[in-house]
Amino acid sequence: SQQGEEDPQALSIQEGENATMNCSYKTSINNLQWYRQNSGRGLVHLILIRSNEREKHSGRLRVTLDTSKKSSSLLITASRAADTASYFCATETAPGTYKYIFGTGTRLKVLA
Amino acid sequence: DVKVTQSSRYLVKRTGEKVFLECVQDMDHENMFWYRQDPGLGLRLIYFSYDVKMKEKGDIPEGYSVSREKKERFSLILESASTNQTSMYLCASSGPLMAGVNYGYTFGSGTRLTVV
Repeated sequence: SQQGEEDPQALSIQEGENATMNCSYKTSINNLQWYRQNSGRGLVHLILIRSNEREKHSGRLRVTLDTSKKSSSLLITASRAADTASYFCATETAPGTYKYIFGTGTRLKVLA
Repeated sequence: DVKVTQSSRYLVKRTGEKVFLECVQDMDHENMFWYRQDPGLGLRLIYFSYDVKMKEKGDIPEGYSVSREKKERFSLILESASTNQTSMYLCASSGPLMAGVNYGYTFGSGTRLTVV
């Protein structure tokens, strides 16, 4: 079964709006990561948040983590057409290993 | 610019063929991984390697094998390709833990394999 499950599966917004994607996971984590995948390409690492952090920013990205609820959210502010992609959260299969489990992703479409 | 390079973007092979997917990284990373990605199933780990000549099975190793003779190269082998192995294959690498944290994967661009 998937460790990380993203919600919603698909999201369509207008350029300039904010996009929020959620991720739920099942076991204890050391950190959680978000990746972006443009159509037909490999994944690109966006941001990492550690288990002792509650919020992290990187440019137009804001990630929150709630370990009590085993959930994380990715907010993209002032979205652009170039943000159109699939977004995945990833968590380690067990803390301290190098193996990550990815969810099935949220497909974001930003309309110009 | 550091990168992970997969030898082919698109590949079409016949059922029963032996297929080699090559992956090379230039970051001196110890860890390398092969995933396959299918609609609705996300990424599933096939095999991974923590060091040269070392390999471990992931979640779906059946029908696959791997080879890591050099640190920078990790090859995925489909011993006898079947149509259910039609998929997008993604190679990734990662470096050592820093302050106890693995700072993520660097992925290749993927190989879309079609088995006919």
